[in-house]
This record gives sequence, structure tokens and C-alpha cells, in this order.
Amino acid sequence: GAGVSQTPSNKVTEKGKYVELRCDPISGHTALYWYRQSLGQGPEFLIYFQGTGAADDSGLPNDRFFAVRPEGSVSTLKIQRTERGDSAVYLCASSPRGWGTQYFGPGTRLTVL
Amino acid sequence: DQQVKQNSPSLSVQEGRISILNCDYTNSMFDYFLWYKKYPAEGPTFLISISSIKDKNEDGRFTVFLNKSAKHLSLHIVPSQPGDSAVYFCAASPLNSGNTPLVFGKGTRLSVIA
Repeated sequence: GAGVSQTPSNKVTEKGKYVELRCDPISGHTALYWYRQSLGQGPEFLIYFQGTGAADDSGLPNDRFFAVRPEGSVSTLKIQRTERGDSAVYLCASSPRGWGTQYFGPGTRLTVL
Repeated sequence: DQQVKQNSPSLSVQEGRISILNCDYTNSMFDYFLWYKKYPAEGPTFLISISSIKDKNEDGRFTVFLNKSAKHLSLHIVPSQPGDSAVYFCAASPLNSGNTPLVFGKGTRLSVIA
């Protein structure tokens, strides 16, 4: 079956611009997670959705970061006024329930110039 | 403050031998542990998990051992194959507290030499 997909695979933008990153979870998975991975680090949690609502957004670094999941399936991570420090690989994961094993997409590599 | 630590950034093993990857954690609330494997330009792929009620879980060539008193887990791969060469991440979650986001270590790069 289809796994988690993320678009775009690569995004290059200029400092100060707005970007949107999209995640399509595995069909039927109610839980969706966003993580960010910087070079030499493991993935770091950003936000978790259970259905349409954000159950935990404690990992979002500041108010420039926002995510939505309006219909409980596809999610969009939005970053305003991008900064060079936002450059990283943004990973999306989904799980069938709100606990247990998470299945990851290939990630979006964001580069802020 | 690193709650999940993988102290070996890299490991090199000969094909056919055993690979042992180690992971330590500090948060006693963690009760569910996972290992992921990551190839370049791909997302992490789930390998194997273990709940704190067990001390061992086995799946084919992969076995995870958990020592709760030492707050230590390890992944054994035997026999190691060249296709196992990847970065391995240890992850943990405090499931029983209702929190589900995973906390990851920094990873160990495994190279299996033919």
C-alpha cells in the first residue's frame, strides 16, 4: 500500500519568505506528526494531530510555525518569515492510533538562503 | 538535555558478524522504545520496537534488548549484511503518560564491510 508522501521533496527559498510543506499520511491513520531533522541530529518533534485537531504543539519553535489538518487527512506545515536557521529536513509521520509505531515519509529538505 | 543518547556516532562491522548498536535514556517515564533505520535522502524506516514490560524482542536478524534498571537498550543484527549499512536511530516514548511523540537519539552510522 501507499506510504506517507511529502511534497515538495526539496524547497529552496529566500530569507523572509513564506513556505508551505505538505504531508499525505497513510490512508486511515488518525494520528499525524511533524518532526524536523537538522544535520547530525535525530528528528525533533514539532506537532501532533489526532484527527483534525492539534493534540500537542509543544515542539513548535515559535509563532512563525503553524500547521493544519482541516479534514483529518492531509496536513500542511506553514512557516512564515523564514530564517536561515529553519533550514532542515522536515519529516512527517503517521500512525493508525495515537500511540505506538510511527511511519515516516521521505521528508522535505528546506533550504533558506 | 539529551534524553535519548546514542554515544557511538559510527560503527564498522564485517559482513556476517554481529552488529551491536547501543542506546541510553534518562527519562524514567519512557516505556516504549523503537529502532529506525535511515538511508540517505529517505525517511526513517521502522525496524523493531519493545515495550517496557519485556526485556527482549526478536524479529528475524534483529533483536532488541531492554535493561530498564540501567536505562539501556541495544539492537543486535546478526548476521550483518552490506544492505544493513545505514544510520540507525533509537527512539523512545512515554506511552503510559498519554504523550506519544517520539524522542530520538542522534543516530549511529553502521557500515557493514563485505
